[in-house]
Amino acid sequence: DAGVTQSPTHLIKTRGQHVTLRCSPISGHKSVSWYQQVLGQGPQFIFQYYEKEERGRGNFPDRFSARQFPNYSSELNVNALLLGDSALYLCASSQWSSGFNEQFFGPGTRLTVL
Amino acid sequence: DAKTTQPTSMDCAEGRAANLPCNHSTISGNEYVYWYRQIHSQGPQYIIHGLKNNETNEMASLIITEDRKSSTLILPHATLRDTAVYYCIVRVAGGSSNTGKLIFGQGTTLQVKP
Repeated sequence: DAGVTQSPTHLIKTRGQHVTLRCSPISGHKSVSWYQQVLGQGPQFIFQYYEKEERGRGNFPDRFSARQFPNYSSELNVNALLLGDSALYLCASSQWSSGFNEQFFGPGTRLTVL
Repeated sequence: DAKTTQPTSMDCAEGRAANLPCNHSTISGNEYVYWYRQIHSQGPQYIIHGLKNNETNEMASLIITEDRKSSTLILPHATLRDTAVYYCIVRVAGGSSNTGKLIFGQGTTLQVKP
């Protein structure tokens, strides 16, 4: 079975640009969460979507937005990129929005902002 | 902020048991203890979780103290492939208000040596 997939694998942008990251959850999973992991730190929660609705938002500026599509895939958008947005962006999928369900993480997208 | 405290790093000899401690002195009665690990350049991987009873699966054992203020993850026979950052996380499971988000701390870097 395919795990969580993310695209692209790596991305280089310059300050002020916009970026879109994509995530495909495991088949049958309806919840997708996004995390940002700066080098040397643990992942930080950005958003969770379940059944196409936002269910949770972390402490990130409005430059960060996301959406979930009818097929449960998701996009994370970041506008007006800053140097500090350079990080590994992780997507995790699970069957439900809460409860005991295990979250499965993708390999991440490495974003570098120059 | 993370609600757990873990040592920054630990070493373990290959083939020996690795015991990773976690302090969660402010844990609430409805919060579970979860362990994830992150091998270099990969997304985090779920290991095990528990509420108050000790748990064991094919990857590890989780020992939770009676007062639930601390726990230990045990890898019974560590291999070089177990070298990773191990995260101890406490979170509520279940309930409509639970977004399912994971709050990661710095984790423990486990180095398994030959």
